[in-house]
Amino acid sequence: EMVLTQSPATLSLSPGERATLSCRSRQSVSSYLAWYQQKPGQAPRLLIYDASYRATGVPARFRGSGSGTDFTLTISSLEPEDFAVYYCQLRSDWMYTFGQGTKLEIK
Amino acid sequence: EVQLVESGGGLVKPGGSLRLSCAASGIAFNDAWMAWVRQAPGKGLEWVGRIKSKIDGPTTDYAAPVKGRFTISRDESMNTLYLQMSSLKTEDTAVYYCTTVLGNPPSYYYYYMGVWGKGTTVTVSS
Repeated sequence: EMVLTQSPATLSLSPGERATLSCRSRQSVSSYLAWYQQKPGQAPRLLIYDASYRATGVPARFRGSGSGTDFTLTISSLEPEDFAVYYCQLRSDWMYTFGQGTKLEIK
Repeated sequence: EVQLVESGGGLVKPGGSLRLSCAASGIAFNDAWMAWVRQAPGKGLEWVGRIKSKIDGPTTDYAAPVKGRFTISRDESMNTLYLQMSSLKTEDTAVYYCTTVLGNPPSYYYYYMGVWGKGTTVTVSS
């Protein structure tokens, strides 16, 4: 069973600071990894696909990187609207797996 | 504009059945791989199942907790995706989201959820 481990579980930062979120898989998935943002009461929103490509309309301050088993989502300078929960996700065979999420909260 | 609108959620007793619908617009539904993802109260996202496009199958795959109890189907004439849920358990209580599943050239490895509906709430309780 493929497992995705996100760290940290919670990240407390202030607006303007840089956020670094990690996602690690047990097996290599090449670059087939996506990131989502979810705000309270809303559906998730695709941010990044293929590890580093921003989805339509996603600001340039969001950057995805990594390949193989280790991936990172970096938000260069936090805006108030960026405080949310972030999930990574991949597919292994015909199973689709999400990480447990990182909650990015205002310090 | 691509839009997915789920409906059919509600309160159902353990052991009961429910059918969710997802009306799609603004996409070439015939060519779209689709999936259901759920989120239990206060928890993370959980993939439920996926159906390939009609032209690619349309075969289905399911997560272990729902396999044998849930069935995904699609109606191209209605641009609608369905999730038939039976033998419901209290742990199936969640918001259920309909999503598109996308992939890119050259591999067209369909794995990420591009568009999401707003979700419909299913509560399983006696």
